[in-house]
Amino acid sequence: SAVISQKPSRDICQRGTSLTIQCQVDSQVTMMFWYRQQPGQSLTLIATANQGSEATYESGFVIDKFPISRPNLTFSTLTVSNMSPEDSSIYLCSVEGLQTRRGYTFGSGTRLTVV
Amino acid sequence: RKEVEQDPGPFNVPEGATVAFNCTYSNSASQSFFWYRQDCRKEPKLLMSVYSSGNEDGRFTAQLNRASQYISLLIRDSKLSDSATYLCVVTTGTASKLTFGTGTRLQVTL
Repeated sequence: SAVISQKPSRDICQRGTSLTIQCQVDSQVTMMFWYRQQPGQSLTLIATANQGSEATYESGFVIDKFPISRPNLTFSTLTVSNMSPEDSSIYLCSVEGLQTRRGYTFGSGTRLTVV
Repeated sequence: RKEVEQDPGPFNVPEGATVAFNCTYSNSASQSFFWYRQDCRKEPKLLMSVYSSGNEDGRFTAQLNRASQYISLLIRDSKLSDSATYLCVVTTGTASKLTFGTGTRLQVTL
């Protein structure tokens, strides 16, 4: 399975500021996925990031709030913009397994607290 | 109705017990099915894929019933280390979008 390095692992940010989260994969992948896990809840897909095109956002998520970059096949960033306390969550990136039906691998997550 | 539904638990079982988790999904076009395990403050990790024919991996057995849109996970001879949240996950559509259930929390005790 792919290995994903995600950073930062955690951060405490002031409201109104922005935080950029990075994910580096040890192999080339077509699609990378960004998820949010709010306290006590399961994961919700924010967007799908393809290299060379704009990310595809799920209902309830917009590019102005969560801009995504995908400059190459091994790297992506998610920015949480103009943060409010409601953005306090764990953010995770994910890639599909390299083998059929091998599931998906997740980064270790970024625990964000907005104060 | 949620796309993927699970009993949130918690399931509290003694070590050595057999425990079963159920999951239902609403989209009949769902294509792939997985059970993930998530430990507290950690990322989800793949436990096993789920096939229509059923599959077994050691103490873990997964079943898929496409007609009933139902997935199950059976854990035999529970260990303390099995304590975690178990997430039922399905993919739907060409973008292989993952949809997660809310998770079932398992606590195995002495």
